Amino acid sequence: HSALTQPASVSGSPGQSITIPCTGTSSDVGGYNYVSWYQQYPGKAPKLMIYDVSNRPSGVSNRFSGSKSGNTASLTISGLRAEDEADYYCSSYTSTSSLWMFGGGTELTVL
Amino acid sequence: QVQLQESGPGLVKPSQTLSLTCTVSGGSMSSGNYYWIWMRQPAGKGLEWIGRISTSGTTNYNLSFKNRVTISVDTSKNFFSLKLTSVTAADTAMYYCARGGETYYNLWNEYWGQGTLVTVSS
Repeated sequence: HSALTQPASVSGSPGQSITIPCTGTSSDVGGYNYVSWYQQYPGKAPKLMIYDVSNRPSGVSNRFSGSKSGNTASLTISGLRAEDEADYYCSSYTSTSSLWMFGGGTELTVL
Repeated sequence: QVQLQESGPGLVKPSQTLSLTCTVSGGSMSSGNYYWIWMRQPAGKGLEWIGRISTSGTTNYNLSFKNRVTISVDTSKNFFSLKLTSVTAADTAMYYCARGGETYYNLWNEYWGQGTLVTVSS
């Protein structure tokens, strides 16, 4: 099945802001506001960071924000910290029979 | 705070059935009509959802698994289960259980188990 498209890696320096894009189609990201983002450290379970495009669960830092434009959703991390170094995955509802699809993940390196 | 814990065999032979259980603690599964989800992640690869079941028993499955997957729930004992038949080496992965939201479009997992590694090998 076709996955959502994410860059394999992004990097940034402490204090900077970075944005991770997640590109889909009008059948998923572009057509619905059901995009979520997860942070995953090596050997750990993923953690929900953003749901429904731009909502943060309780306890998630406001340095993390989500947005969407057309068929591309984005996760922005501001004031980058060493602890933000992790893998990030996007996911979206899809109107195809698949129901739910994920991006391939983006490895964030804090320089 | 909801907690989830996966359990089951770590080694399954090819062509056999993978069976996992997710025990939920920190609250009754019946306290709301949440979706209970199975996910997996092969080593070094991305996340893949397998399927989900609501507290009321409604299921949705990833069609990539065709007819190999069955998810069931026992709210009286606070657990839900995964069965994946006819496994191959491609089913080797870390398997996670998770809790989602309460509506059909709540396709996100707020609570996760720690994961259990399942290896398919003879």
